Amino acid sequence: QVTLKESGPGMLQPSKTLSLTCSFSGFSLSTSGMVVSWIRQPSGKSLEWLAAIDWDGDKYYNPSLKSRLTVSKNTSNTQVFLKITSVDIADTATYYCARSSGYSSSFDYWGQGVMVTVSS
Amino acid sequence: DIQMTQSPSVLSASVGDRVTLSCKASQNINKNLDWYQQKLGEAPKLLIYFTNNLQTGIPSRFSGSGSGTDYTLTISSLQPEDVATYFCFQYNSGNTFGAGTKLELK
Repeated sequence: QVTLKESGPGMLQPSKTLSLTCSFSGFSLSTSGMVVSWIRQPSGKSLEWLAAIDWDGDKYYNPSLKSRLTVSKNTSNTQVFLKITSVDIADTATYYCARSSGYSSSFDYWGQGVMVTVSS
Repeated sequence: DIQMTQSPSVLSASVGDRVTLSCKASQNINKNLDWYQQKLGEAPKLLIYFTNNLQTGIPSRFSGSGSGTDYTLTISSLQPEDVATYFCFQYNSGNTFGAGTKLELK
């Protein structure tokens, strides 16, 4: 059974660095064709793809946010991390991690999401 | 950047209706398009991948079609549990979601 779960600080102040963790089970990120992505959604708005890391450790970023994002994974291939530097109010959103498999770009499994509020 | 325009933004329909949601890309996306359903308070769920392929476990009343810049999600007979917001997503160049269509019951 594939499951993903996001965790994060809940709230942080502007200009700080946001650190998020996606913990998953039921698959290994070392399997060829596997990718874990980060996607966010401000309340009441649409979705924005942020970043991804694949089975080979290759990393992909949304060009509009690339300078602020860092995606990584742990050595046991059971967690993926996202750091966003210099956050501001516009980064307030629910952050999801999602899996793609079989070299597909489609997100077949999603975490429940973690809400992050940026506020002073 | 490829822009995805969904229409309508809100759609009201009755149980049993045939419902059509549209997604238009700002350039040819070569059928590299998915549809996701998001119910209130939940994560999105993959319905259709690569334009017209039904994800495992999704009811057959959902179908997708399209090519080039124009794509459609059809629900053949609307059910109460289909009330949700539907997003299209292109991955032909970069990764872009549409703004969504909110589907309500009339």
